Amino acid sequence: GQNIDQPTEMTATEGAIVQINCTYQTSGFNGLFWYQQHAGEAPTFLSYNVLDGLEEKGRFSSFLSRSKGYSYLLLKELQMKDSASYLCAVTPKGSNYQLIWGAGTKLIIKP
Amino acid sequence: DGGITQSPKYLFRKEGQNVTLSCEQNLNHDAMYWYRQDPGQGLRLIYYSQIVNDFQKGDIAEGYSVSREKKESFPLTVTSAQKNPTAFYLCASSPWTSASYNEQFFGPGTRLTVL
Repeated sequence: GQNIDQPTEMTATEGAIVQINCTYQTSGFNGLFWYQQHAGEAPTFLSYNVLDGLEEKGRFSSFLSRSKGYSYLLLKELQMKDSASYLCAVTPKGSNYQLIWGAGTKLIIKP
Repeated sequence: DGGITQSPKYLFRKEGQNVTLSCEQNLNHDAMYWYRQDPGQGLRLIYYSQIVNDFQKGDIAEGYSVSREKKESFPLTVTSAQKNPTAFYLCASSPWTSASYNEQFFGPGTRLTVL
C-alpha cells in the first residue's frame, strides 16, 4: 500500500524554529513536495526534493532521505502568518501526474 | 495574470440535486485534477485529465462526473449518487511532463454544503 504519515498538529512560539516530519511508504519514489495551506484556502508550493539532502529557501528548508523514506520541513524565525497546515506529497515512480498526499500538519504559532 | 479560477467560493444545495463546480485555467497546462478535502484528511483525488476529451477516475470517483471539452476548463458535477457530498473541493493543474517534477497549481476552492 501507499502511505504518508505526518503529525496531526504542532504548536510553536513566534520567533522559534519548528521541524515538521513526514514519512512515506510508496510504490517507488520520484520526488517529494511540501505545500502550505492556510485555512479555507488553496495549497501553495513550498519546496520539492528529489535527491538526498537539505534544500534551503529563505526561512524554510526541506530535507529528504530516500533510504529512510523520510523528509522534514524546517521553519525558522516563526511568524504568526506561518500558522497553517503543511502538506507532504509524494510522486510515486512511474507517475507523471499523480501525487500521494499526507493528511497535513496543522501548525499553531503562539505569541 | 495567469491562474486557476473556481466559482463559486461557497455553494449550497439541497439533498438529491446535482451541482456543477467550475474550474478554469489560463496557464496553458495540459493536466487538470479535482480533489476533495475533508477536515483532518489529506487531498483525495476524484478525477484527472491529461488531455482534452480524456479523463481518468481517481481514488473516489463514485458519485462524480467530469468533462474536458476544452483545455482551459474541467467542470466537476456532484451527482445525487454521492453519499456525503459536503466538502471542500479543489481544482488543480500542472504542465504535462515526462520528468518527475509535476508541481500542481491550485484554484481557491469551492466549499459545497448539501442541506
